[in-house]
Amino acid sequence: AQTVTQSQPEMSVQEAETVTLSCTYDTSESDYYLFWYKQPPSRQMILVIRQEAYKQQNATENRFSVNFQKAAKSFSLKISDSQLGDAAMYFCAYRSLNSNYQLIWGAGTKLIIKP
Amino acid sequence: AAGVIQSPRHLIKEKRETATLKCYPIPRHDTVYWYQQGPGQDPQFLISFYEKMQSDKGSIPDRFSAQQFSDYHSELNMSSLELGDSALYFCASSSQVSQETQYFGPGTRLLVL
Repeated sequence: AQTVTQSQPEMSVQEAETVTLSCTYDTSESDYYLFWYKQPPSRQMILVIRQEAYKQQNATENRFSVNFQKAAKSFSLKISDSQLGDAAMYFCAYRSLNSNYQLIWGAGTKLIIKP
Repeated sequence: AAGVIQSPRHLIKEKRETATLKCYPIPRHDTVYWYQQGPGQDPQFLISFYEKMQSDKGSIPDRFSAQQFSDYHSELNMSSLELGDSALYFCASSSQVSQETQYFGPGTRLLVL
């Protein structure tokens, strides 16, 4: 069974600086998808970025980018120029391409932005 | 762009009562997923439907049932509610064409007293 691990329960960063959130996963599959979701205090679950495992190029979305290391099964999220609105819980999630389409979630990292 | 709609947004019930949560997926999305998120926890997958058929089943209690209708909306029926059922219930939807990405609704906050 697949597992997702986020080893940082909480991270803090100064506004306008860069922060990296870590995520590792375990799978025997070769094709899958990885996601980062953001959950602000409103508890809405918002897609931040996604990565297809077959793509070597790291995904980017404006100030958000990932460092996808397939061999190491690592999928970190880098947030550049951190803004107060980035404060939230960040969840890393895995999705198989096989029969189970549910998302497998990490425990989350709480990101605090210091003004 | 249209998003996933969930109703009600908030619900308060007594123990042993029943509750029905509704989910309206993004237009042209044919797959619906239900997740339960307790306080300070990551979401737990309950069940999913594709084209009105159950496609995957997770940790859904026997007291709960769900279905997807011909218009693709879905309902989660919860009976004999327990205090531990208090949680945020998310519905997400995806399309068969781009099934890798699930888009989430705002959630229904259920409080069981």
